[in-house]
Amino acid sequence: NAGVMQNPRHLVRRRGQEARLRCSPMKGHSHVYWYRQLPEEGLKFMVYLQKENIIDESGMPKERFSAEFPKEGPSILRIQQVVRGDSAAYFCASSKTEISNQPQHFGDGTRLSIL
Amino acid sequence: DQQVKQNSPSLSVQEGRISILNCDYTNSMFDYFLWYKKYPAEGPTFLISISSIKDKNEDGRFTVFLNKSAKHLSLHIVPSQPGDSAVYFCAASTPNNAGNMLTFGGGTRLMVKP
Repeated sequence: NAGVMQNPRHLVRRRGQEARLRCSPMKGHSHVYWYRQLPEEGLKFMVYLQKENIIDESGMPKERFSAEFPKEGPSILRIQQVVRGDSAAYFCASSKTEISNQPQHFGDGTRLSIL
Repeated sequence: DQQVKQNSPSLSVQEGRISILNCDYTNSMFDYFLWYKKYPAEGPTFLISISSIKDKNEDGRFTVFLNKSAKHLSLHIVPSQPGDSAVYFCAASTPNNAGNMLTFGGGTRLMVKP
């Protein structure tokens, strides 16, 4: 499967715990984007990364959220001390270049539920 | 501030007829527009896109029209098929040498009746 892979597909956490979401981009893609979708809403941009670099994190909450895309391995979106409002679907997308006329390809998302 | 809006939350169409999904935007800096289709429990799937230098792009049953002066785009699906039933998202991006983050509309749920 050469598509964008996200895991886990479903993640349940209790308030105060940490959540780690993983994303492996499509083969040959070095640009990764994370989006969050709240129920009945559209996707909202969170962060854009290239290998080992955060390029744009303007959509990330200032606290508790962080992202990385190491030289080896998947991109990780990390949420510390989760709260009920973090319950959402988190989607990762990748593209081959940063040029605006290249479509992003999405994974199937991680559905995070906070008890 | 919603820069991309899809004002119809849902649309119901008979199989074989045309489906027209609409999208409005406010940011005149957007230069690339995309439509994605999304089934429940799956990620958005890229359908078709259009650059701001064009006013129409066609791919099989799907055609996207862009009216820059009205800041409006639409997706036409003809003929509509039951398998087209899904949520459709319009998205836009700006020319930016720091990536092409997408701004999404809220989606329109299309139901195609057999």
